Formats: sequence, C-alpha cells, structure tokens
Amino acid sequence: DTAVSQTPKYLVTQMGNDKSIKCEQNLGHDTMYWYKQDSKKFLKIMFSYNNKELIINETVPNRFSPKSPDKAHLNLHINSLELGDSAVYFCASSQVSLHNEQFFGPGTRLTVL
Amino acid sequence: SQQGEEDPQALSIQEGENATMNCSYKTSINNLQWYRQNSGRGLVHLILIRSNEREKHSGRLRVTLDTSKKSSSLLITASRAADTASYFCATASNNAGNMLTFGGGTRLMVKP
Repeated sequence: DTAVSQTPKYLVTQMGNDKSIKCEQNLGHDTMYWYKQDSKKFLKIMFSYNNKELIINETVPNRFSPKSPDKAHLNLHINSLELGDSAVYFCASSQVSLHNEQFFGPGTRLTVL
Repeated sequence: SQQGEEDPQALSIQEGENATMNCSYKTSINNLQWYRQNSGRGLVHLILIRSNEREKHSGRLRVTLDTSKKSSSLLITASRAADTASYFCATASNNAGNMLTFGGGTRLMVKP
C-alpha cells in the first residue's frame, strides 16, 4: 500500500551506460515530479509532468528524459551516464488542486563509476 | 544563492528543548511548505502555510511566514530524539508552474 514507490533503490553502473528508474504512485494524483539530491543534500527539481504538460528545469541536461506510460507512472531515463550524475533521485506526486503538497518516494541512490 | 535557504545549516539540541529553523526566499510565493527527511529516506510533508497566512500550528510544530521579509520559521517544541532529521522549506510560485523550489535544509540533531 505504498503511496509512491521507486525501483531500484540502489543502482550502480558504469559511465556511458543508459539506465532507467521507475516510479509509481497509487494516490490518484495528477502531477508527478523528479528531483535530484546531491551529496550536500541540496534538492533540485528536474521535471514536473501531468497529462497535459511537461515542465523541464532548464538546467537539466537533455540526457535525462521522463517517460510517462500512464497517469500513475513517471519513469526517468538517463543516457550516457556521467560521474556527476551520481546522486539520490526522488520521485514525487501531488494533486495540484490541493495546494501542491507533495508525496515523495523513498529515493534511488545512483552511483556512476 | 538559492530560493529557499535555511538557517542554520545544522542544529544540535537536547531532548525537551525547542528547535527553531529559518528559511528565506527571493520571489513572491503562493505558499511555503516544510518537509522532513530522515536519513536515507524520502521527504515527508509537515505543514503548508499560504501567502496570506502569518502563522500556523500542527501539533508541536509552529510555522510563521513574513512575506514582507520573505522569510519563514519552523519551531519544534519539546523536541524528541525522533525529531532528528533534516528539515527543508520549499516555496511554490505562480511563475514556476507546479514545481517546488527547495532550500538546502537544516540538519537537526536531538540528543536524548
């Protein structure tokens, strides 16, 4: 009965590889997000997505792409991984009409070697 | 510097004491939210205060908002060891769509 779930929890991979992180929410929310948290715990929004609109943080490299097969899922695909991509990635969801309180997944710790 | 900056970056107190964390931001906002993150976990929403509100309470939490100073504070009263976590403020603005902008967080340690 987890509200927002992510897989995998840990991901270790080599530079140059392509990887995906999956996210699912069972809250019926209309908007989902991806955040990156660096080693200093600073949390940066990467994407905001609902059925109508994708909002991309302009600082996010185009190697990162969100893919949403349906309203309850927003997966993050990363091409040509770089050392600097190592971080914890959080998925979140919200119902925008409810003042945008966000519910976070447990995070995926990505380590690029 | 970033929208939503917390002060102090780290805070260590004894159980039973009060903990106050501050947050400053730069742009106009619709609301400001506080989240808690336990080590190795995702963020958990604590409280939301709208731009037309000045103070809000939830259990042992008290949040204030001063839009003229673009600042907010989170007070945790009668702290417990279980309150040990990082606390983040986040702002929601009209010009940012649905996205929240988070500060760097305050790491709170409550010693038993």
